[in-house]
Amino acid sequence: ETGVTQTPRHLVMGMTNKKSLKCEQHLGHNAMYWYKQSAKKPLELMFVYNFKEQTENNSVPSRFSPECPNSSHLFLHLHTLQPEDSALYLCASSQTTGPVNSPLHFGNGTRLTVT
Amino acid sequence: GESVGLHLPTLSVQEGDNSIINCAYSNSASDYFIWYKQESGKGPQFIIDIRSNMDKRQGQRVTVLLNKTVKHLSLQIAATQPGDSAVYFCAENRHSGGGADGLTFGKGTHLIIQP
Repeated sequence: ETGVTQTPRHLVMGMTNKKSLKCEQHLGHNAMYWYKQSAKKPLELMFVYNFKEQTENNSVPSRFSPECPNSSHLFLHLHTLQPEDSALYLCASSQTTGPVNSPLHFGNGTRLTVT
Repeated sequence: GESVGLHLPTLSVQEGDNSIINCAYSNSASDYFIWYKQESGKGPQFIIDIRSNMDKRQGQRVTVLLNKTVKHLSLQIAATQPGDSAVYFCAENRHSGGGADGLTFGKGTHLIIQP
């Protein structure tokens, strides 16, 4: 049990579909993140929320739309994706985005395949 | 180029031996470093961290060494066990005093344990 739960674990979608990824953290943290992990590439930060407010959008295409209704839940809404968007999408949380005094805690990710 | 990187993409060691995984960084302002372990099908798991005012930090069977002179970070795993098989990657915080949203990750080293 990681404390950060992501659903679904696997998702296959067509380029015209709309789907959502869900993340929930049970650690009492105030910051939540979406990362993209592609094969043989470093983790790429996509979005950051701190106390439900989006603090960073790392030049992510608009076909990815995050939503953070409260400090415990984070969504990533997907629409009209491209095959190159296939990757492992990781959610993470930390105490805050302030001076680092607690590391990121990751979920197990959603393996997304775009056909 | 990428400032956080690994000297070797794959490291194979005998069970019971010690493992050393290396990481190079190029930003002298980086003041916080983390090692993560990612097992197949799981998200990254925090192992150990170190701040730039330290040269060494020990955990359970793991030691992180920081050499600021040559901008080098290493993770030592003592008495390697089959459960240590995973991809290990380092992360640095490039913004002095910054938060978890400033972490930059390396690509990772795949540690393989030979029986």
